[in-house]
Amino acid sequence: QKEVEQDPGPLSVPEGAIVSLNCTYSNSAFQYFMWYRQYSRKGPELLMYTYSSGNKEDGRFTAQVDKSSKYISLFIRDSQPSDSATYLCALDVNNAGNMLTFGGGTRLMVKP
Amino acid sequence: NAGVTQTPKFRILKIGQSMTLQCTQDMNHNYMYWYRQDPGMGLKLIYYSVGAGITDKGEVPNGYNVSRSTTEDFPLRLELAAPSQTSVYFCASSGDRVSNQPQHFGDGTRLSIL
Repeated sequence: QKEVEQDPGPLSVPEGAIVSLNCTYSNSAFQYFMWYRQYSRKGPELLMYTYSSGNKEDGRFTAQVDKSSKYISLFIRDSQPSDSATYLCALDVNNAGNMLTFGGGTRLMVKP
Repeated sequence: NAGVTQTPKFRILKIGQSMTLQCTQDMNHNYMYWYRQDPGMGLKLIYYSVGAGITDKGEVPNGYNVSRSTTEDFPLRLELAAPSQTSVYFCASSGDRVSNQPQHFGDGTRLSIL
């Protein structure tokens, strides 16, 4: 079983839709959870990070962690064509801050 | 601001050749990382460094070597290139714990081994 599982997509939505991106993980010890966005032929960039369970909001983006279900989500409201990218979830492997494990990424396409 | 710079952007190698992927950062970050990204597989950590003179293995270190003689530079060495090393390689840096400090990534080196 992979440590982090993510549906590869692609996920295609119309502009303005609410997008839900999800990851499941296997190790209940994970405490730090991150979402990275990666545009084509570019390196990933950090979108959001959360610690433990709960929600965190930043503009149109909301990250949600459900540790009891080992499930993390990223919601994008009012999606824009510029949100078209691959979204990677990442978890801090040993909570020591020096090693991340990444999901395979979900490719999102927002159509005008 | 340059951030993290990787060279070259593209390279084709023959089986058995060697090469060094260069990475430099100008943010005075202590932590640096090398990842490889295969299609649909996410990023796999190859090696990381928490400061000059200190390196450690990640998840997939076999076939690679690193050194960290300065804060700015973290080169990745392939000694005997194999087709399984065909991938996109990303270098990243962060100021502190990666969980609450963003990792800054370069734009990658696309490497093909034929």
